[in-house]
Amino acid sequence: GAGVSQTPSNKVTEKGKYVELRCDPISGHTALYWYRQSLGQGPEFLIYFQGTGAADDSGLPNDRFFAVRPEGSVSTLKIQRTERGDSAVYLCASSLSFGTGNNEQFFGPGTRLTVL
Amino acid sequence: EDQVTQSPEALRLQEGESSSLNCSYTVSGLRGLFWYRQDPGKGPEFLFTLYSAGEEKEKERLKATLTKKESFLHITAPKPEDSATYLCAVGSWGGSQGNLIFGKGTKLSVKP
Repeated sequence: GAGVSQTPSNKVTEKGKYVELRCDPISGHTALYWYRQSLGQGPEFLIYFQGTGAADDSGLPNDRFFAVRPEGSVSTLKIQRTERGDSAVYLCASSLSFGTGNNEQFFGPGTRLTVL
Repeated sequence: EDQVTQSPEALRLQEGESSSLNCSYTVSGLRGLFWYRQDPGKGPEFLFTLYSAGEEKEKERLKATLTKKESFLHITAPKPEDSATYLCAVGSWGGSQGNLIFGKGTKLSVKP
């Protein structure tokens, strides 16, 4: 079956602009996660959804970052007033549900965001 | 604070030269320890989950083991196609439920 898909694969924007990054999880996965990965670092947690609600948004760096998952499937990560420090690869992952034994997270290919 | 440290940062092996990668962790209640492989320009690819000390899992030339403080990823007779960055992550029942805490990874290069 299809894996996690993310669009666009690359996004170049100017400082101060607004961007949206989309994630389409594996069909049937109820949990969805967003991470950010800088060069030479491991992924860093941003937010996760269980169904439509954000169950934990403690990783969002500030209020310029926001994510939604209105129908419990596709999610959009939104970044307002982008800054050069936002440049990174944004990874999305999904899992069957949250909980021991079925929490293996499967990642998409990522969106590389470059803020000029 | 939940933390994951991987060593070495980089490892160069000759084809067929077996070795191990280390992942040391501190967590407030281990929900699971996860190993991923990441190729350049791609997302992490799931390899293993380990839940309790003493547990072992194998897949082809890879074997993952777990103690109360660390995990090892053993690579037996590696091939050039095993070259990648290997990431270790932990899930915690503590303050960061629902997400994984990743190490910085070990970049493995296997020369023919």
